[in-house]
Amino acid sequence: NAGVTQTPKFRVLKTGQSMTLLCAQDMNHEYMYWYRQDPGMGLRLIHYSVGEGTTAKGEVPDGYNVSRLKKQNFLLGLESAAPSQTSVYFCASSTIPGLASFSSYNEQFFGPGTRLTVL
Amino acid sequence: AQKITQTQPGMFVQEKEAVTLDCTYDTSDPSYGLFWYKQPSSGEMIFLIYQGSYDQQNATEGRYSLNFQKARKSANLVISASQLGDSAMYFCAMREAYSGAGSYQLTFGKGTKLSVIP
Repeated sequence: NAGVTQTPKFRVLKTGQSMTLLCAQDMNHEYMYWYRQDPGMGLRLIHYSVGEGTTAKGEVPDGYNVSRLKKQNFLLGLESAAPSQTSVYFCASSTIPGLASFSSYNEQFFGPGTRLTVL
Repeated sequence: AQKITQTQPGMFVQEKEAVTLDCTYDTSDPSYGLFWYKQPSSGEMIFLIYQGSYDQQNATEGRYSLNFQKARKSANLVISASQLGDSAMYFCAMREAYSGAGSYQLTFGKGTKLSVIP
């Protein structure tokens, strides 16, 4: 199993350009997440999805859009990139955590990250 | 208020010694889980250990153990017999059952950079 993969690994954009980051998982996970990591900060949630066809906003959603047309894929789009979106982007997936499941792991599996620079 | 606080931006430890990385958390949710992830210089996030809020015993995974003090809201990571390969950023994260409209998102601390000295 490949786990969670992300495409591309690196990208440089000019201000105003658009791009799409692709996340794919082969673990049949229901939940998928997009985080960004900035220097000196932990990861912050951008958007998430609890299943195919559903998406929702996280902590820092502005400037991003997402889609989950297939269960295994979660796309993150930047319509008009800004220098403030220079960051490392991580995708993650997990099984459905139940309310009584805190005796089990259900950890999030992370992709390798995409390093995006916006000039 | 920050939900996860890691007060040590950087730590040094001698090889083969034990080290404790601090993590305190803030939640009013009775059901939550605490995670530790390792991020080496290569950048990937590696899951290390998990502690559930209802777990009575401290979690252990090989050389990693979690010192869980629920009343103090702390979940410190203890690494025994440090190795050079343990040099990395370490993140504490929390998942709450009733936050984020069912997102079960992880809320991360800012991390601690651990350097193991030969």
